[in-house]
Amino acid sequence: DTGVSQDPRHKITKRGQNVTFRCDPISEHNRLYWYRQTLGQGPEFLTYFQNEAQLEKSRLLSDRFSAERPKGSFSTLEIQRTEQGDSAMYLCASRRTGNTEAFFGQGTRLTVV
Amino acid sequence: DQQVKQNSPSLSVQEGRISILNCDYTNSMFDYFLWYKKYPAEGPTFLISISSIKDKNEDGRFTVFLNKSAKHLSLHIVPSQPGDSAVYFCAASDTQGAQKLVFGQGTRLTINP
Repeated sequence: DTGVSQDPRHKITKRGQNVTFRCDPISEHNRLYWYRQTLGQGPEFLTYFQNEAQLEKSRLLSDRFSAERPKGSFSTLEIQRTEQGDSAMYLCASRRTGNTEAFFGQGTRLTVV
Repeated sequence: DQQVKQNSPSLSVQEGRISILNCDYTNSMFDYFLWYKKYPAEGPTFLISISSIKDKNEDGRFTVFLNKSAKHLSLHIVPSQPGDSAVYFCAASDTQGAQKLVFGQGTRLTINP
């Protein structure tokens, strides 16, 4: 399977704990995105990498959130001191440069209890 | 500020008939538009896209129409099949910077036998 892969698929954590999600994009895609989707809404942009450089962050990405893409391959999204409002589906997508479609992973469903 | 709007939360269509899903946008910088289909607990799957230099793009049973002056696009599915039942998201991006996707809230399409 050469699609976008995300791990884990589901994560339940207690409030205040740290969590980390991983995304493996399609190998030839240099652009990688993180989105968050809550119930009844469309995905919302969080952050964007071109190769290993993080070039844009949404104001939705508070100081508790950090993302990395070492060596321009896989990416990680870490949430520190989780809050109940962080409960959502976290989606990773990758695409080539230019007007091309973005391919999404299956997402990580985070539940903070 | 909702830059991409899907004003119909749900749509019910009889199998074999045409399904028409609508989307409006406000940002005149958007020049690339996409439709995604989403099943529960999965990531969005790309369906079809259109560049702002075109007003129509067709792929099998799916056709997307773009009316730039009205800032409106629509997705036509004909004939509709039971497997088309899903949530459909309209998304838009511009060619500057991150080319991040801005999504609408989604329309839940139900195809009735």
